[in-house]
Amino acid sequence: AQSVAQPEDQVNVAEGNPLTVKCTYSVSGNPYLFWYVQYPNRGLQFLLKYITGDNLVKGSYGFEAEFNKSQTSFHLKKPSALVSDSALYFCAVRPRQGGNTGKLIFGQGTTLQVKP
Amino acid sequence: DAGITQSPRHKVTETGTPVTLRCHQTENHRYMYWYRQDPGHGLRLIHYSYGVKDTDKGEVSDGYSVSRSKTEDFLLTLESATSSQTSVYFCAISEGPVLAGGGDEQFFGPGTRLTVL
Repeated sequence: AQSVAQPEDQVNVAEGNPLTVKCTYSVSGNPYLFWYVQYPNRGLQFLLKYITGDNLVKGSYGFEAEFNKSQTSFHLKKPSALVSDSALYFCAVRPRQGGNTGKLIFGQGTTLQVKP
Repeated sequence: DAGITQSPRHKVTETGTPVTLRCHQTENHRYMYWYRQDPGHGLRLIHYSYGVKDTDKGEVSDGYSVSRSKTEDFLLTLESATSSQTSVYFCAISEGPVLAGGGDEQFFGPGTRLTVL
């Protein structure tokens, strides 16, 4: 079965330090990869996506993500965390095969807590 | 949340009653989706639509039905609500993978918190 794993329920980091939120996937072929962020009592907001090309993708609010095909991973990173980055982060994938349904498979989410 | 509204935003209902949630978009996007969000499960797709009157099931469609009679509106109906359907429901829209080469991002509404007693 196709799946997305975010192995950490919560990541704690001090403000100013680099952060990494991990994502691995089990999907055949080379899927499209996405990161979303959810602030309390809000809907999800798109951060960035990988379609093809450069393995390092830059997105909103200074976030970037690195695609690693051999490890089937798409980790989210930021060089210097802000307290305002504290939120719930979701990794999502869309298989390239199986027709153009647009359906996303989401990970269970990782809570990022940035402390002053 | 731009261009997507959901109504109601909060609802409390009793087991066995019908419930309809509405998603309205002003972006003229072809694809619309209904998800539910539960702790430890992330978001799970209930149903989606790829055009007016064109819908299909997601991974957790049992107990739910949908309708799309206009581009801008996508309705989710719980025919007979159960306590297991207590959740936060999100609507999302996208241009569609065909138009965007597969990489179209989805845009989410603000959510509806549904409690079934």
